[in-house]
Amino acid sequence: NAGVTQTPKFRILKIGQSMTLQCTQDMNHNYMYWYRQDPGMGLKLIYYSVGAGITDKGEVPNGYNVSRSTTEDFPLRLELAAPSQTSVYFCASSPTRSIADTQYFGPGTRLTVL
Amino acid sequence: GNSVTQMEGPVTLSEEAFLTINCTYTATGYPSLFWYVQYPGEGLQLLLKATKADDKGSNKGFEATYRKETTSFHLEKGSVQVSDSAVYFCALTEPPGGSEKLVFGKGTKLTVNP
Repeated sequence: NAGVTQTPKFRILKIGQSMTLQCTQDMNHNYMYWYRQDPGMGLKLIYYSVGAGITDKGEVPNGYNVSRSTTEDFPLRLELAAPSQTSVYFCASSPTRSIADTQYFGPGTRLTVL
Repeated sequence: GNSVTQMEGPVTLSEEAFLTINCTYTATGYPSLFWYVQYPGEGLQLLLKATKADDKGSNKGFEATYRKETTSFHLEKGSVQVSDSAVYFCALTEPPGGSEKLVFGKGTKLTVNP
C-alpha cells in the first residue's frame, strides 16, 4: 500500500524559477494538506483541500498555489521561488474532516532556493 | 491564537532511561491533542492522541494524559530504546472540536545511546 507519495525528494531552485511539488494518495481520502517545516520549527499549514475542486488557504499561503482536480492528486505550485521558501514540504491526507482521525504524511520534499 | 510550547531539545538519554517531553498549550475551548513522531528521513507519524480532558493516549510504550487544569500533554516512556531516536512534535486542533487544521510545536529531538 503506497499511502501518500511525494515527488521529487530533493530539488534545488534558483531565485525566480518555478516548480510543482507532486502529491498523490491512494487511500481515497477527501482531505489533503500541504505543510512546510522550517529548521527547528513545527509544521505550518500552507493550503488544504476538502475534496476535488475545493481548496483553501492555511496559515502561510503566500507564494504558493494549489489545485485539486482529482481525489488522488494535490500538487503545490511555486511560481517565483524565493530563498524564504527553502524548507521541507510535507503533504498529508485524512479520511474525514476531524483531525482526531489520523493524518497520513508523505516522506517530504526538501527544497533549497539559491 | 492557539499555540503549543514544547521543551527545548535536544534530549540525549541512555537506553532504558525514563523519558519525559513536556508540552503545554494555549487554546480556546477543548482541543484534541496529539503527539507525532518523525524518524530520520521520514514524514510524520501519529504516535498517540487524546480527544478530551483526562484521556490517556498510549502507543508503543509511550503515554500522555490530557490535563485540562494544567493545559498540558506531556509525553512519557518508562524505558527508551535506541530505535526511539527521532523528533517528537506535540500538536492540537484549531479551532477545537474537529477542524481541518493542526497547530504544531517546534519539535523535540531525542537521541538514545546504547
